[in-house]
Amino acid sequence: SYDLTQPPSVSVSPGQTVSITCSGDNLGEKYAFWYQHRPGQSPALVIYQDNKRPSGIPERFSGSNSGNTATLTISGTQAMDEADYYCQTWDRGTALFGGGTKLTVL
Amino acid sequence: QVQLVESGGGVVQPGKSLRLSCAVSGFSLTNYPMHWVRQAPGKGLEWLALISYDGGNQYYADSVKARFIISRDISKNTVYLQMNSLRPEDTAVFYCAREDQLERFDSWGQGTLVTVSS
Repeated sequence: SYDLTQPPSVSVSPGQTVSITCSGDNLGEKYAFWYQHRPGQSPALVIYQDNKRPSGIPERFSGSNSGNTATLTISGTQAMDEADYYCQTWDRGTALFGGGTKLTVL
Repeated sequence: QVQLVESGGGVVQPGKSLRLSCAVSGFSLTNYPMHWVRQAPGKGLEWLALISYDGGNQYYADSVKARFIISRDISKNTVYLQMNSLRPEDTAVFYCAREDQLERFDSWGQGTLVTVSS
């Protein structure tokens, strides 16, 4: 089965840039999506099709996907960005999520 | 305004069954594939099941295949998840989500908690 691997946690200081990686076999040949999940809320899409931002998502969120790794980058991180982030892709018509990365803004 | 509202969660004994509902408004189920996703306590998101926009195809994660059934009732604007032979490890918050034409999960419900315990 296809697997997506994320680091369990990353931390960043307010105003700095942080990257969250998502690894999978030839992931660059698929589309990567990223979801933000705050406690007690529903997940929210922040990046789709590797590097596109839905309307309403701040420009500080960006994405890339090449080779075996997709990356979510948050520039000028704010306290409100503290959340769990999940990468997701499609494999044989079904969805697959990475294990999630807890972003702490120190 | 697109809305998805899950219901049907609760406490259930191991081996029993439960049916979750996802009532939608603001769009037609005939235009969108619909999914169920869960999050167990302290764990990540896990995709569970998909019903195609025409209702003709259903797909499942290996972890729930043969135990869970996704279905829908167009007249009631509702998607269901029938869960059978429940196990303690099925304890989770269950979300329904809409997949749009760009393969994005663009709308989610608020989730419903299922606790499997004796």
